[in-house]
Amino acid sequence: ETGVTQSPTHLIKTRGQQVTLRCSSQSGHNTVSWYQQALGQGPQFIFQYYREEENGRGNFPPRFSGLQFPNYSSELNVNALELDDSALYLCASSLAPGTSHEQYFGPGTRLTVT
Amino acid sequence: LAKTTQPISMDSYEGQEVNITCSHNNIATNDYITWYQQFPSQGPRFIIQGYKTKVTNEVASLFIPADRKSSTLSLPRVSLSDTAVYYCLVGDMMNRDDKIIFGKGTRLHILP
Repeated sequence: ETGVTQSPTHLIKTRGQQVTLRCSSQSGHNTVSWYQQALGQGPQFIFQYYREEENGRGNFPPRFSGLQFPNYSSELNVNALELDDSALYLCASSLAPGTSHEQYFGPGTRLTVT
Repeated sequence: LAKTTQPISMDSYEGQEVNITCSHNNIATNDYITWYQQFPSQGPRFIIQGYKTKVTNEVASLFIPADRKSSTLSLPRVSLSDTAVYYCLVGDMMNRDDKIIFGKGTRLHILP
């Protein structure tokens, strides 16, 4: 069974640029959640996708957007990058939405905005 | 969503039992308590989940008193590799729209 994978591992972008991060969910999981984790902080919920539809969003501006594909893999897109967007971006998959289902996290993508 | 409060950090020594307590005073009837562990530069990992009384698995035990306003994660005989951040979460098991919300967690440092 393949776990959650994310790409790339590290990324350096310049302020104002756009970035796309990718996540492959664990086999059999139809729900993907994205989190932003700043240094020394807990992960902050960005949004969740369930069967290719957005299923809830945290307190993030519209320049954070996402997609989920028919194979349940997902992308996180961030436009007009700001310095404060520098963080570890985590993807987690689960069997279904809701907190009753264990979330399996990927290793994350470390984004640095200069 | 019920808010949780945990100690910011704790130190302990190898071989000791470590107890991390989490407060969730406004926990709702359908809320379950879940703990995650996170090592540096890795995603969080599920440890244990419970509703009331005591739950034990191969990694930890979770003690929940009758009023459910707090819970204690117990790690038996810790080793250096248990140094990590531990997050206590509360979520409505019956609501599929409920989301996992992380606080700042407890930074546990195990000393030799």
